Amino acid sequence: EAQVTQNPRYLITVTGKKLTVTCSQNMNHEYMSWYRQDPGLGLRQIYYSMNVEVTDKGDVPEGYKVSRKEKRNFPLILESPSPNQTSLYFCASSNGDGTGYDEQYFGPGTRLTVT
Amino acid sequence: DQQVKQNSPSLSVQEGRISILNCDYTNSMFDYFLWYKKYPAEGPTFLISISSIKDKNEDGRFTVFLNKSAKHLSLHIVPSQPGDSAVYFCAARGDSNYQLIWGAGTKLIIKP
Repeated sequence: EAQVTQNPRYLITVTGKKLTVTCSQNMNHEYMSWYRQDPGLGLRQIYYSMNVEVTDKGDVPEGYKVSRKEKRNFPLILESPSPNQTSLYFCASSNGDGTGYDEQYFGPGTRLTVT
Repeated sequence: DQQVKQNSPSLSVQEGRISILNCDYTNSMFDYFLWYKKYPAEGPTFLISISSIKDKNEDGRFTVFLNKSAKHLSLHIVPSQPGDSAVYFCAARGDSNYQLIWGAGTKLIIKP
């Protein structure tokens, strides 16, 4: 089954404790992206990757890191989480070049709470 | 300032009637618009899209209308079914780095 998986689905952590949210897709997609969803704001892009070893900042990259060592994986790293990073996070992938014309496939989401 | 706005946080419609979800945008350079649907505890899934060179696109029960002069688009669902109850996001292709700009979503509730 074609899918994007994220782990963990739920995470409660404390300020400053480094964490990683994994994302994996089995569709051989070139483009992958991370979003956060907050009430009243819709989805905002954190980072995206056009291909292996190619990543770029989205609209809200501060406090986040990503890496793309393999085509299928695109982990999101919070080196020192803060309460304002409490949010619902989505990973997405698409078959296109990230120009916005292509359908994106989303993971189920990771709900992160930072206390 | 939000460039893509969905001003109705929620909408309740009787089963079998038409659902109309609205979306306004501020940037006249946007050239492509998409609607995504999201169920609880799942990620958004693509529903339908429209290019700025068209004013209507239809796919089964779903039709999207684009009014460029008013910078407004709408999604019509006819007839509405219980399985349509979800949050609907409008998104527009940005003109700077071509990434999608998303609205805040509208929660559609279909009443039996």
